[in-house]
Amino acid sequence: EAGVTQFPSHSVIEKGQTVTLRCDPISGHDNLYWYRRVMGKEIKFLLHFVKESKQDESGMPNNRFLAERTGGTYSTLKVQPAELEDSGVYFCASSQRIAGGQYFGPGTRLTVT
Amino acid sequence: DAKTTQPPSMDCAEGRAANLPCNHSTISGNEYVYWYRQIHSQGPQYIIHGLKNNETNEMASLIITEDRKSSTLILPHATLRDTAVYYCIVGHGSSNTGKLIFGQGTTLQVKP
Repeated sequence: EAGVTQFPSHSVIEKGQTVTLRCDPISGHDNLYWYRRVMGKEIKFLLHFVKESKQDESGMPNNRFLAERTGGTYSTLKVQPAELEDSGVYFCASSQRIAGGQYFGPGTRLTVT
Repeated sequence: DAKTTQPPSMDCAEGRAANLPCNHSTISGNEYVYWYRQIHSQGPQYIIHGLKNNETNEMASLIITEDRKSSTLILPHATLRDTAVYYCIVGHGSSNTGKLIFGQGTTLQVKP
């Protein structure tokens, strides 16, 4: 069974540009989550999808971040325009049940210069 | 969400059991205890979770005290590959979100 995959693994962009991160969850997992770790800080929750609906987006830092999950399969996280403080590692996770274990992808390392 | 307290670091000899403690004295009745770990800069890895009863899987055992205010993750035969940061997280209570709140965790160093 394939795990959670994320693309790209690394992205380097300039301040003000746009970047789109993609996450493919484990097949059959209705729950999809985004987290991020910025330099020196703890891993922080961004949002939670149940199928295509946003169940909890309390962790989204501001309106420069837009997450979508059309069709309830893969998800994208767009940052527009990117700022220096957005640099970090963005993790995606999925789970079958909300109360179950979450399976994380390898992350996308975003560097904004 | 209830907060957890973990020691910042621990050492364990290879082949011995690693016992990682966690305090969660403000846990509510319907909150689960989850354990994850992160090896280097990889994505966090789910280990185990439980509500009230002790749990065991192929990776580890989770012992939850009767009052649920603390728990212990046990890696029965630690190997060098178990060196990682271990996170104890309490979550999914009455809210309908799977949000995990990561703290600093415990850095476990397994030594030869």
